[in-house]
Amino acid sequence: AQSVTQLDSHVSVSEGTPVLLRCNYSSSYSPSLFWYVQHPNKGLQLLLKYTSAATLVKGINGFEAEFKKSETSFHLTKPSAHMSDAAEYFCVVSDRVRGNQFYFGTGTSLTVIP
Amino acid sequence: DGGITQSPKYLFRKEGQNVTLSCEQNLNHDAMYWYRQDPGQGLRLIYYSQIVNDFQKGDIAEGYSVSREKKESFPLTVTSAQKNPTAFYLCASSILTGGRNTEAFFGQGTRLTVV
Repeated sequence: AQSVTQLDSHVSVSEGTPVLLRCNYSSSYSPSLFWYVQHPNKGLQLLLKYTSAATLVKGINGFEAEFKKSETSFHLTKPSAHMSDAAEYFCVVSDRVRGNQFYFGTGTSLTVIP
Repeated sequence: DGGITQSPKYLFRKEGQNVTLSCEQNLNHDAMYWYRQDPGQGLRLIYYSQIVNDFQKGDIAEGYSVSREKKESFPLTVTSAQKNPTAFYLCASSILTGGRNTEAFFGQGTRLTVV
């Protein structure tokens, strides 16, 4: 069963406009949710995480995400895109039912147009 | 500086040869993971280990082997049985707090190419 669905494989925005990267998850237990960013041929860097505290989570570089249990969503947003935001973004879920493993979405490639 | 070190960054292998990818961490994390990344498929779990001298298969373990003799080290061997080994390999580690994963820390990856 798919644990994490990233609804868009590619997103393109103009510099200075808002960014929305969508993620839905499936979990039968209280999950931990993460967003990671990956630049070409690099490892993954944590942007932000939700681990059952505040549902609105603020991360690095102006990104934030809101955990909505009723919608099983954890969408990533940023008010104003910067050229340096162009990268691959991964939504990740982890919960105790599945042995605390990390399950990755297939990624969303963000392009920022000057 | 604490972190995860993967080596080498680039690796070339001839068909039929085994090759070992190194992963070392100095974060004192109990859990370590190996993932394979292919374009358009996200990251897929190969093996993971939550304690020294113990490890479990992930979703795509066939053709791979690991060892966990020390807490700091989790090497991955890509054997000749792996039919399509060309990929980007990522090592990660994590720590459990209150029974939950806090986050995964990643190395910079090794790009393996079979020639």
